[in-house]
Amino acid sequence: NAGVTQTPKFQVLKTGQSMTLQCAQDMNHNSMYWYRQDPGMGLRLIYYSASEGTTDKGEVPNGYNVSRLNKREFSLRLESAAPSQTSVYFCASSPRETREQYFGPGTRLTVT
Amino acid sequence: EDQVTQSPEALRLQEGESSSLNCSYTVSGLRGLFWYRQDPGKGPEFLFTLYSAGEEKEKERLKATLTKKESFLHITAPKPEDSATYLCAVLGPDDKIIFGKGTRLHILP
Repeated sequence: NAGVTQTPKFQVLKTGQSMTLQCAQDMNHNSMYWYRQDPGMGLRLIYYSASEGTTDKGEVPNGYNVSRLNKREFSLRLESAAPSQTSVYFCASSPRETREQYFGPGTRLTVT
Repeated sequence: EDQVTQSPEALRLQEGESSSLNCSYTVSGLRGLFWYRQDPGKGPEFLFTLYSAGEEKEKERLKATLTKKESFLHITAPKPEDSATYLCAVLGPDDKIIFGKGTRLHILP
């Protein structure tokens, strides 16, 4: 089992460009999450999907959109990147019953 | 406002020197408390879930305990490979998960 996979691993964007971060899990988990991690701020939830077909805003959703494509895949889109979105982005999945999260390796995004 | 506070922010120990990390929370109606380990440049790795006060979980040199207001991660006779950032997260009644900012642990050989 690969667990949670994320692509790309690194990305550099110019202000105003768009991109989609991809996430997939092979553990048959119902719930999936997108976080950003910044120095001194800890992990902050951007969006989550409790189950296929549903998405909800987290703590810092502005500037992002998500799509729960199917049970395995949950993508995060930046429509018009800003330097404030420079961060490390983590995708995670969890079983609905027990809620412990399993994280991907992260995407390191720099917006110039 | 629900909060999760971890202390200390950073801790340096000699190999074999036991200590504890603290996670205090203000969430009412706790549904679960989670501990994770994060190595530099990697995603957090799940360690333990605790559900109720008095519960304890152990894994190798780590033992997690839970009270009504806080959790401790006890590290017994640590080794350099235990060096990492340890994160605590709580699940409240509103189904939201809140992470603390973590404790950076460095074990000196």
